[in-house]
Amino acid sequence: GENVEQHPSTLSVQEGDSAVIKCTYSDSASNYFPWYKQELGKRPQLIIDIRSNVGEKKDQRIAVTLNKTAKHFSLHITETQPEDSAVYFCAASIGGAQKLVFGQGTRLTINP
Amino acid sequence: EPEVTQTPSHQVTQMGQEVILRCVPISNHLYFYWYRQILGQKVEFLVSFYNNEISEKSEIFDDQFSVERPDGSNFTLKIRSTNLEDSAMYFCASSRTGVAEKLFFGSGTQLSVL
Repeated sequence: GENVEQHPSTLSVQEGDSAVIKCTYSDSASNYFPWYKQELGKRPQLIIDIRSNVGEKKDQRIAVTLNKTAKHFSLHITETQPEDSAVYFCAASIGGAQKLVFGQGTRLTINP
Repeated sequence: EPEVTQTPSHQVTQMGQEVILRCVPISNHLYFYWYRQILGQKVEFLVSFYNNEISEKSEIFDDQFSVERPDGSNFTLKIRSTNLEDSAMYFCASSRTGVAEKLFFGSGTQLSVL
């Protein structure tokens, strides 16, 4: 079936520390894995994405890793700042279909 | 940066009424989508649209729902007879070459069914 599991559902870290959010997917044909940040009442905004032919991608303080064998991918945020507080969603494309399946979301709180 | 625009931002309707949610995708995009998000829950796929026809639809997208691209710029979602469970934020999205590329989301329409 098409399923994306995301953990944890809530995460609280001290400013300056790192945060890691993990997702697993079920469709072995999935080949595109974006991460979205959603602030309260706002639209999801893409922050980073990775394709299945790459194991890791980094953009400043944000990185994503992908393990195709284990079917999981993770978001890493280093040197966290208060403005990183938001809900983060992972997603996976479904092979052969024009749709993304989203994880349940992680509410990240950065404590000053 | 170009944006997907949605109107209205809020829509309140009575159960059983028809609603039409409107979207203007980014002009050179070819793939269009509707997603919804019930308060506090994840983003759920409803339907994808390409070349003037539905590419994919979820089990949520039943006979009460329809989509249309009435002209070269608008993309609409119609709910024929709303139920209480249809209350959600509805996001339109578009992409240039399909789902394996950046999806641009609109700011959403908050639908409240009373």
